Amino acid sequence: DTEVTQTPKHLVMGMTNKKSLKCEQHMGHRAMYWYKQKAKKPPELMFVYSYEKLSINESVPSRFSPECPNSSLLNLHLHALQPEDSALYLCASSQAPGTFYGYTFGSGTRLTVV
Amino acid sequence: GENVEQHPSTLSVQEGDSAVIKCTYSDSASNYFPWYKQELGKRPQLIIDIRSNVGEKKDQRIAVTLNKTAKHFSLHITETQPEDSAVYFCAATSSGGYQKVTFGIGTKLQVIP
Repeated sequence: DTEVTQTPKHLVMGMTNKKSLKCEQHMGHRAMYWYKQKAKKPPELMFVYSYEKLSINESVPSRFSPECPNSSLLNLHLHALQPEDSALYLCASSQAPGTFYGYTFGSGTRLTVV
Repeated sequence: GENVEQHPSTLSVQEGDSAVIKCTYSDSASNYFPWYKQELGKRPQLIIDIRSNVGEKKDQRIAVTLNKTAKHFSLHITETQPEDSAVYFCAATSSGGYQKVTFGIGTKLQVIP
């Protein structure tokens, strides 16, 4: 298995809703990432998990809460989002932090906050 | 922190011609430089990468060059085909500790049949 699987592919949520994005990989990668991508912009780093521990939080608002239950799974819990949080949320993984390997990206969750 | 500049932001070429995208980086500690291709509505995909101890790397029609002294690297696509049309992102990575990738703003390449 050489893929990163993200669910759901599309999500529409109200500003008072609570929802979760899920990401799964079975490549044995020990680094996992959440990125946010707005239209016509590069991916913007949100969180880095290294060996299931949060290692980087790029000053992301607390309405985004990441979780890494095990080495294969990564979740992003969403609560009280704003319309400007609408974007494509990409999960990625790499073999290990601090090594010369590129990312494998998931297909993303296209989030719309209404 | 690292800053990666990428140009041009858009590039149109005739099918069969070559395309070149250039990037510069600011952090001399960056030592790994991947390139990603993102087709419309799809995920970014790694197409080629280069480490700082290598000056050039080639994979079929795609090549990347790195000039560490000048802190710039380039993507070269030869014999372009319509399926090469996409947005291309360069990136710079500092290894050691946590792998933090800084992306360029992207180049939208259009290959005209």
